Amino acid sequence: SAVISQKPSRDICQRGTSLTIQCQVDSQVTMMFWYRQQPGQSLTLIATANQGSEATYESGFVIDKFPISRPNLTFSTLTVSNMSPEDSSIYLCSVVSRDVEQYFGPGTRLTVT
Amino acid sequence: GEDVEQSLFLSVREGDSSVINCTYTDSSSTYLYWYKQEPGAGLQLLTYIFSNMDMKQDQRLTVLLNKKDKHLSLRIADTQTGDSAIYFCAESRGGKLIFGQGTELSVKP
Repeated sequence: SAVISQKPSRDICQRGTSLTIQCQVDSQVTMMFWYRQQPGQSLTLIATANQGSEATYESGFVIDKFPISRPNLTFSTLTVSNMSPEDSSIYLCSVVSRDVEQYFGPGTRLTVT
Repeated sequence: GEDVEQSLFLSVREGDSSVINCTYTDSSSTYLYWYKQEPGAGLQLLTYIFSNMDMKQDQRLTVLLNKKDKHLSLRIADTQTGDSAIYFCAESRGGKLIFGQGTELSVKP
């Protein structure tokens, strides 16, 4: 299985500021995704992180709010911009390994005050 | 609709079997997944099943798939207190996962 790390593991931020979350995988993977889990809720896909090109965003998510970078096949970042309390969530990256198995990072728990 | 649906709660006694049910929507989904999430933790991939299979067994876990009814179930044999968690089913659409709301499993000693 792929081993995924995320930084930071948690943060408390003030509204109006931005936070960049890093996702590092221990092997090269083709597909990487970013998900959001709001308090007490299920997971919702934010975007597909594409290596060398712009991310593909799901309905309801826009690049200005959630810019994503993916400079290579093992690393991606998600920025949560101009934060408000509604952005308080767990943000998780995931990767597809061996074409089928999809693994998740430990998540970044964000609280916006 | 577009939702993957699960019942929200299940309570069982230690040693009994647990059955968590899920209905999905996209008949073209190639893979269906079960994840476990313990409090304050990330998602752990438990198992998955290819859509042309009816059943998959992995130690205490048995997955049943009824493709006609778009119904998926996860059976946990000899349920232990350490199995208490939220269980999510998910269907894959081109690699993107669509999750159910999660079933909170409570195991009573």
